[in-house]
Amino acid sequence: RKEVEQDPGPFNVPEGATVAFNCTYSNSASQSFFWYRQDCRKEPKLLMSVYSSGNEDGRFTAQLNRASQYISLLIRDSKLSDSATYLCVVILNDYKLSFGAGTTVTVRA
Amino acid sequence: SQTIHQWPATLVQPVGSPLSLECTVEGTSNPNLYWYRQAAGRGLQLLFYSVGIGQISSEVPQNLSASRPQDRQFILSSKKLLLSDSGFYLCAWSLQGRSPLHFGNGTRLTVT
Repeated sequence: RKEVEQDPGPFNVPEGATVAFNCTYSNSASQSFFWYRQDCRKEPKLLMSVYSSGNEDGRFTAQLNRASQYISLLIRDSKLSDSATYLCVVILNDYKLSFGAGTTVTVRA
Repeated sequence: SQTIHQWPATLVQPVGSPLSLECTVEGTSNPNLYWYRQAAGRGLQLLFYSVGIGQISSEVPQNLSASRPQDRQFILSSKKLLLSDSGFYLCAWSLQGRSPLHFGNGTRLTVT
C-alpha cells in the first residue's frame, strides 16, 4: 500500500463551481499535513497547511480526518487560474515526508 | 526572508557525461535540504536529504550522489549520466522539525 494516495483525476469543473478531493495516508503516526499546488512544468508551491480543526484560506478549505486517515481540499468559486495539480504531503517525522502523486484540476470557462 | 536558488534551469547532456546541479539557500541557518526528481507525468521521488553539513542520506540507490559542503549549499552529481536520469530535478529546504518544504525553480535535465 502506498504511504499517500490521491485520486489522479482529472476533475474538470466549470468556473464558479466547487470541487473537492481527498488524500489518504497509511501511517497513523503521521504528524503534519500540507497541500501544494504544482503548475505544469513548474515547482510545487505550498498552498496551505492542514490543521486538526480544519482551516480556510480564502476560497480554499482544508480538513483532516485522523480517524479515517485522510485530508481533503475544497475549492469554492473555482477560477481558471485554479487549474493545476494539487499534491498532498504527509510528514511522519523530522525528515520523512511523503508526497501524493497529485490530483489534476481543470477549470473551464 | 528565505530564498532558494537552483541552477541551471535547463540542461541537455549526452549519455555518459558528468552532472553537477547546485542549490543554495539564503536567509536561514541549518536547514534540512532535499533533492527530488520528477519524471514526466509522475510524482516526486526523494533522492537525497541532508540535516547538516556533510550529512547525506540516500533514499534510492542509483548513479547519483549528493554533497553538502556548506550549511546552505547542496550539490547533486553524477559521474556518468544514463538516459533514465532525464527528469525534473528539484531542490528544496525546510526548517528543522515537521515543517513544509520550499522548492527551488527546478532543473529540467534531458539526457540524449
